[in-house]
Amino acid sequence: AQRVTQPEKLLSVFKGAPVELKCNYSYSGSPELFWYVQYSRQRLQLLLRHISRESIKGFTADLNKGETSFHLKKPFAQEEDSAMYYCALTNTGNQFYFGTGTSLTVIP
Amino acid sequence: ETGVTQSPTHLIKTRGQQVTLRCSSQSGHNTVSWYQQALGQGPQFIFQYYREEENGRGNFPPRFSGLQFPNYSSELNVNALELDDSALYLCASSLIGDRGSEQYFGPGTRLTVT
Repeated sequence: AQRVTQPEKLLSVFKGAPVELKCNYSYSGSPELFWYVQYSRQRLQLLLRHISRESIKGFTADLNKGETSFHLKKPFAQEEDSAMYYCALTNTGNQFYFGTGTSLTVIP
Repeated sequence: ETGVTQSPTHLIKTRGQQVTLRCSSQSGHNTVSWYQQALGQGPQFIFQYYREEENGRGNFPPRFSGLQFPNYSSELNVNALELDDSALYLCASSLIGDRGSEQYFGPGTRLTVT
């Protein structure tokens, strides 16, 4: 069964500190991984995806197939990064699995 | 280019009733997925429609059904409502063909079953 686990429901960091949001997955094949973000009073939107190997708003995520993880990292957190973050995966693109989300608060 | 819209914003139904939720996809998108998001949980995949046919389904009973129309708008129908169906329902549109395709989410419909 496909599962996405985000172990931290809440995470607080100080502005300027590094931040890491954890995501572990279980899937027997080769999934595609994503991070979606929801800012206050906005709709869910894509932050980044593994296939693009991109850095968005200073965030990066590395897929570790050995540890089946896709942790989201940023070296210096900003106040505007405060939001709800969801890790998600798809197999063939027609079924998607989301984690339960991590609420990030960046303390000024 | 217009974004994904959903209607209604909120509604309240009684257990046992039926409900229809509507979604208008982003311009140019040919695929729509529906999700159920209970309070404090992540979105749970219900199903996906492509070319007016169900293209993938999550672990939801048959009383959850959908339609996609030629203009790529979509409906989610839920029969015999149960209290546990109370949730935020999200639709998301995308372009099929690349499993890494971005999904564009609507604002959601908040359903309360009493």
